[in-house]
Amino acid sequence: AQSVTQLDSQVPVFEEAPVELRCNYSSSVSVYLFWYVQYPNQGLQLLLKYLSGSTLVKGINGFEAEFNKSQTSFHLRKPSVHISDTAEYFCAVTRGSQGNLIFGKGTKLSVKP
Amino acid sequence: EADIYQTPRYLVIGTGKKITLECSQTMGHDKMYWYQQDPGMELHLIHYSYGVNSTEKGDLSSESTVSRIRTEHFPLTLESARPSHTSQYLCASSEGDALNTEAFFGQGTRLTVV
Repeated sequence: AQSVTQLDSQVPVFEEAPVELRCNYSSSVSVYLFWYVQYPNQGLQLLLKYLSGSTLVKGINGFEAEFNKSQTSFHLRKPSVHISDTAEYFCAVTRGSQGNLIFGKGTKLSVKP
Repeated sequence: EADIYQTPRYLVIGTGKKITLECSQTMGHDKMYWYQQDPGMELHLIHYSYGVNSTEKGDLSSESTVSRIRTEHFPLTLESARPSHTSQYLCASSEGDALNTEAFFGQGTRLTVV
C-alpha cells in the first residue's frame, strides 16, 4: 500500500526567507510524485511533478523539489518566499496501475511580513 | 487555466434533503474523480470514473453516488443528507488512464448539513 506523510502541519515563515516543506512516502513499487497548492477557497493546482530522470524538479512560482529514493522523500523548497505563497501545500503519490492520487494531510504555509 | 467547474460553491441544507453536486469539465478528459476534504486531513478519494458509464468507489466509504452519462459531466448525489456529510467536495479530471498525468481540480463545493 502507498501512503504519504507530510511532517509539518503548519509552517510559519517570514517573507524572503527560505522554506522547506517535507514529504515522505511509502511504496513497494515505483511511484510518481506531485506537489499541489491550494489557495484559500480554491481548488488544487499542480506545482510540480516527478516522473523520472533528474531528481531535482522545478515547478511554477519558483518552487522546486528533490526526489530522494533512498530516503523516500520528496521535499518542496523555495529560496525566498512571498506573502502570496501563503497557502496549503499537498504532497501526493500515484497509486499503482490505476493512477489515482493519494494525498498527504497538507502543510499550511503562512508567510508573514 | 483549468476548465473544470463545480456548482454550487457553497450549500447549506437541512437534514434529510436530497442534493446533487455538479461537476463539469470541457477538456475532454476521460478520467474524473471526487475527493472529500476535511480540515487537517488527507484528501480522500470517494469516487472515480474511467469514462462514460464507468464508476468506481474510492478509498473512503461514502453514502454518496455518482453517474457518468456524458464525458464532461460527473455529478455526485446524496439521497438523504446528514450532518456527517458536512465537508468540502472537490472534483477533478485527468487525461486517460496514464499514471503520470496531471489532475485538474475544480474550486470545490463546501457543503454544510444542518
